[in-house]
Amino acid sequence: GENVEQHPSTLSVQEGDSAVIKCTYSDSASNYFPWYKQELGKGPQLIIDIRSNVGEKKDQRIAVTLNKTAKHFSLHITETQPEDSAVYFCAASIKAAGNKLTFGGGTRVLVKP
Amino acid sequence: ETGVTQTPRHLVMGMTNKKSLKCEQHLGHNAMYWYKQSAKKPLELMFVYNFKEQTENNSVPSRFSPECPNSSHLFLHLHTLQPEDSALYLCASSPEGTDSSYNEQFFGPGTRLTVL
Repeated sequence: GENVEQHPSTLSVQEGDSAVIKCTYSDSASNYFPWYKQELGKGPQLIIDIRSNVGEKKDQRIAVTLNKTAKHFSLHITETQPEDSAVYFCAASIKAAGNKLTFGGGTRVLVKP
Repeated sequence: ETGVTQTPRHLVMGMTNKKSLKCEQHLGHNAMYWYKQSAKKPLELMFVYNFKEQTENNSVPSRFSPECPNSSHLFLHLHTLQPEDSALYLCASSPEGTDSSYNEQFFGPGTRLTVL
């Protein structure tokens, strides 16, 4: 089955700096790659996603890139703010496998003021 | 209420108790999911319901019993749980069912379960 690896597990950045989280996946048939943000005491919130026919997608301060050849995708957060502090999860799914999401292990991001 | 709601938010139960978790989605979605989130482990898919029919049971022990009476409500019935079942249980829904091309899932806040 699909396997998703996520790095780093923790990331500390200074406010205003950029943060980058990387994920690799194992199944080349994966076609959908969402990113979730989970704040303390809340469920994961979908923040951005990318489909296999696109290489990059941007939404204000966050962007996601996808390299299908290398089977990896990354989340980029620019001009980080304290409210960006949370746990971020990447995931991948395969339509032929019922669109089940396989999640990475999560990255705890701390933005220091 | 909007989005995906879950009740209760916190639950403490003994190993011999029977309890139920409830999930309700107000988004008109067609698929609903139960996930288990334990410390230091990736989110684990437990069950999937697609248009009220169970389409996935990810080798979940029978002490967890799901129920989906309609496309807006999902329950997880619990009985004779073990302490290792203590975790955050998350419900999610997706708009077009599991056969769509892309599976955008929206999560509820979760139920924090502690088994004594």
